Amino acid sequence: DGGITQSPKYLFRKEGQNVTLSCEQNLNHDAMYWYRQDPGQGLRLIYYSQIVNDFQKGDIAEGYSVSREKKESFPLTVTSAQKNPTAFYLCASKGQGGTEAFFGQGTRLTVV
Amino acid sequence: QKEVEQDPGPLSVPEGAIVSLNCTYSNSAFQYFMWYRQYSRKGPELLMYTYSSGNKEDGRFTAQVDKSSKYISLFIRDSQPSDSATYLCALTSGSARQLTFGSGTQLTVLP
Repeated sequence: DGGITQSPKYLFRKEGQNVTLSCEQNLNHDAMYWYRQDPGQGLRLIYYSQIVNDFQKGDIAEGYSVSREKKESFPLTVTSAQKNPTAFYLCASKGQGGTEAFFGQGTRLTVV
Repeated sequence: QKEVEQDPGPLSVPEGAIVSLNCTYSNSAFQYFMWYRQYSRKGPELLMYTYSSGNKEDGRFTAQVDKSSKYISLFIRDSQPSDSATYLCALTSGSARQLTFGSGTQLTVLP
């Protein structure tokens, strides 16, 4: 089945640690996105990538980093510089010429 | 002012009711309009996608776009408890642009 897979589903991080969230898609989509969702605030764009080896900052990129070495993969690293990392993180992808985005099931990150 | 405004609710209705969910937007460049449904602790799933002004129907769901008023709506007829979820509107100016989301409306349909 084609789709977007995010892992892990739940992640716990100690303060001061970097963590990496995985996002893999087998939809052959060119564009991939990372969103953060907090209660009552909808989805906010962290980073996006339109093609391999290229990515752009979104609205809230500070404290995050990404890479796009393969078309299928777009991992997000939450660094220790992110002051309030506890949130629900969503990865999405979109095909060339397409308008709608398709989402993974999300990773819930909690700082302990 | 946010580009997209959506009433967060929560909205509670009895089973069988007609539900109206709405978003307003300020950027006239938005040309494509989507509604996503998100169950608790899950990723959003695409429900409806429209391009032009007017109505688009899919089963119990109708999406309505009024570009002149910059207003979009999602109607749910004969609402069911399984419709209980958060509904997000999403807009974009073109296929190369990322989506701009509303904050979501939390809907509960009571049996």
